[in-house]
Amino acid sequence: SQKIEQNSEALNIQEGKTATLTCNYTNYSPAYLQWYRQDPGRGPVFLLLIRENEKEKRKERLKVTFDTTLKQSLFHITASQPADSATYLCALLYNQGGKLIFGQGTELSVKP
Amino acid sequence: DAGVIQSPRHEVTEMGQEVTLRCKPISGHNSLFWYRQTMMRGLELLIYFNNNVPIDDSGMPEDRFSAKMPNASFSTLKIQPSEPRDSAVYFCASSLITGESGYTFGSGTRLTVV
Repeated sequence: SQKIEQNSEALNIQEGKTATLTCNYTNYSPAYLQWYRQDPGRGPVFLLLIRENEKEKRKERLKVTFDTTLKQSLFHITASQPADSATYLCALLYNQGGKLIFGQGTELSVKP
Repeated sequence: DAGVIQSPRHEVTEMGQEVTLRCKPISGHNSLFWYRQTMMRGLELLIYFNNNVPIDDSGMPEDRFSAKMPNASFSTLKIQPSEPRDSAVYFCASSLITGESGYTFGSGTRLTVV
């Protein structure tokens, strides 16, 4: 079965630096790879989607890359702020109308 | 739109009792998903519906769990009888069937079975 691996250890960085989170998966590549943010006591919030045939996607301070050869996605937050502190979840969608499978998430802490 | 609405927000029940969780998806979304989240297992998909039809219930842990979607604006997840190991946060999410706009999650129901 499909396995999704995200950094299990929390990532601690200084304000203003770039945070980089990793998502690795096994088996075949999904049609879409998504990133979500989750704050304590709340549901995940959709951030970005990248398609199988796309290498990179940007949205404001966020950048996602997708390497189907390495079976890996990287999620970058540039000029990080304490308000970016949260758990970030990677999720795979194999086909339209299919099901979204989540990784365990990586907790990010941005210190002022 | 008020987003995905789940009720109740918190539920504490005794082992053996029936529990019903409710969800109202975003109007216009035609896919609905029930997830369960625990520290140990993360976010697990229990069941999902496309156009009110159950597509995949392979994540439903046991026959004690059942879900329905009688119309496009309402779904329920029922646990009968409940057990302590069912304690978790249950999320409902909805999306367009393409999935390309991402999923919108509700605030979740925190279930505690004592």
